[in-house]
Amino acid sequence: GENVEQHPSTLSVQEGDSAVIKCTYSDSASNYFPWYKQELGKRPQLIIDIRSNVGEKKDQRIAVTLNKTAKHFSLHITETQPEDSAVYFCAASTPGSQGNLIFGKGTKLSVKP
Amino acid sequence: NAGVMQNPRHLVRRRGQEARLRCSPMKGHSHVYWYRQLPEEGLKFMVYLQKENIIDESGMPKERFSAEFPKEGPSILRIQQVVRGDSAAYFCASSPLAGDARGEQYFGPGTRLTVT
Repeated sequence: GENVEQHPSTLSVQEGDSAVIKCTYSDSASNYFPWYKQELGKRPQLIIDIRSNVGEKKDQRIAVTLNKTAKHFSLHITETQPEDSAVYFCAASTPGSQGNLIFGKGTKLSVKP
Repeated sequence: NAGVMQNPRHLVRRRGQEARLRCSPMKGHSHVYWYRQLPEEGLKFMVYLQKENIIDESGMPKERFSAEFPKEGPSILRIQQVVRGDSAAYFCASSPLAGDARGEQYFGPGTRLTVT
């Protein structure tokens, strides 16, 4: 089955710097890759997603890139702000898996003012 | 449009008791997924249901755990004879599209189960 690895597990940046979180997946058939942000004690919130027919997607300060050949995808946050501090999860979904998401273990991002 | 609702938000049970977790999907969504999150870890898929049908329960333990999504009312995840290892946050997510259509999943606030 699909396996998703996420790095780093913790990331600390200064306010205004960029943050990059990387994930790799094992099943080349996976075709949907969402990113979720989870603040302490709160629900995971979908912040951006990408499908396998697209290489990059941007939404304001957030972008996601996908390299199908290498089977990895990355989340890029520019001009980080303290409110970006949270745990970020990547996930992958494979056709035939009924849409259930396989999650990485998360990256705890701390943005220092 | 109300989001995904879950109740209770916090549930304390003694070992051996039953836990019932409820999830009401977003309006117009008929696909429900349950995930379990242990402290400091990611979410693990448990079960996927459509109205009156269990589609995929490959992530749910075969004993003590069951799930349903009746024609009327919320989806329910039931854990019988709870043990301390069941302590976790249980999230449900709903989607408007069938699994293979890769619909986005929207999560509820979770139920934090503590087994004493």
